[in-house]
Amino acid sequence: GAVVSQHPSRVICKSGTSVKIECRSLDFQATTMFWYRQFPKQSLMLMATSNEGSKATYEQGVEKDKFLINHASLTLSTLTVTSAHPEDSSFYICSASSGSGYTEAFFGQGTRLTVV
Amino acid sequence: QKEVEQDPGPLSVPEGAIVSLNCTYSNSAFQYFMWYRQYSRKGPELLMYTYSSGNKEDGRFTAQVDKSSKYISLFIRDSQPSDSATYLCAMNSGNNRLAFGKGNQVVVIP
Repeated sequence: GAVVSQHPSRVICKSGTSVKIECRSLDFQATTMFWYRQFPKQSLMLMATSNEGSKATYEQGVEKDKFLINHASLTLSTLTVTSAHPEDSSFYICSASSGSGYTEAFFGQGTRLTVV
Repeated sequence: QKEVEQDPGPLSVPEGAIVSLNCTYSNSAFQYFMWYRQYSRKGPELLMYTYSSGNKEDGRFTAQVDKSSKYISLFIRDSQPSDSATYLCAMNSGNNRLAFGKGNQVVVIP
């Protein structure tokens, strides 16, 4: 399958600072990227969907000013958690797909964010 | 009612046993049904993908979809310790937006 690389795999930051997470599709062009959040023993909750060159579409309840998503190229999307707080500590996972309609989405390895 | 229901209870089985997992859903527009395997602190990897009702077999894995009952299943035959992971069902209606179940943690005991 195609490879999606997510970086960093884990990050610890101080409360009030911002953290950027990168998601790259290494061997295909990702027209659509998805960002998920996963709490321990919980399912993946979709936060937002981004199409290359367009503004991201956020799910209900997700603060767009807090979770900034940029999808400036067909191989890179970034999620910036601004003014992070301890309650933002979670596992963040991106996925990428190459087509419209249903095509397989490939997942990154996830980023464990801890805000102290 | 959540779109996808998956009883998140952990499951422990002895090596060689059959593992049986299932999900129910409420959205009749779902057409694509997936099972993902997720190891601890890793992203999910696609295990099985089915479209419409019926069975699909891939090695030791069998996925079943019953759209009339809105019920999907995953069976793992001859389970191995390496099958120990969390299994998530997921589905969508053709627009790439996946709805996930909560996942089942499976432990295969040698």
